[in-house]
Amino acid sequence: KQEVTQIPAALSVPEGENLVLNCSFTDSAIYNLQWFRQDPGKGLTSLLLIQSSQREQTSGRLNASLDKSSGRSTLYIAASQPGDSATYLCAVASGTYKYIFGTGTRLKVLA
Amino acid sequence: KAGVTQTPRYLIKTRGQQVTLSCSPISGHRSVSWYQQTPGQGLQFLFEYFSETQRNKGNFPGRFSGRQFSNSRSEMNVSTLELGDSALYLCASSQLDRDGYEQYFGPGTRLTVT
Repeated sequence: KQEVTQIPAALSVPEGENLVLNCSFTDSAIYNLQWFRQDPGKGLTSLLLIQSSQREQTSGRLNASLDKSSGRSTLYIAASQPGDSATYLCAVASGTYKYIFGTGTRLKVLA
Repeated sequence: KAGVTQTPRYLIKTRGQQVTLSCSPISGHRSVSWYQQTPGQGLQFLFEYFSETQRNKGNFPGRFSGRQFSNSRSEMNVSTLELGDSALYLCASSQLDRDGYEQYFGPGTRLTVT
């Protein structure tokens, strides 16, 4: 049974810092891994999708890596801004057409 | 392209009633998934539909059901509501390709059961 863990559960950093969010999964047989952002009370916004054959993806200040063999993914946020404050979720496409979500990292960037 | 839309956005129901939520996927997307999000359990997979067929189902009681129409729009139904069904219900659509799929989420329906 696939399990997804995110560490840390919460993070508070001053504006301008570079930071890393971690996602671990127990079963390496995945189709892809997707990082999302969720603002309070809102739906999920897709940030980056890494296919199982890829090692990393980049979009602006965001970079996500995937190491299937070790069951890990990291989301790197460069030069953090107060607008980056949100909950970040990773989700693994595992098994037959369903995503398993981590519990999320709640990020607060202080101005 | 218009995004995933969900209606209604907010709903208040009484214990024992039933409720139907609706989801319209992005045009061209044939896969629709439903998730329940609560503070205690996080995001949990309910079911996934493709071409009007349920292909996968999460660990939820039979009170939770869904269907998909020929235009890919989907509905989920919860019968005999319980207080614990209060949650944000999220719908996601995706377009399958040979490498997998990317899910796009709607804004959700906030259900409160009193």
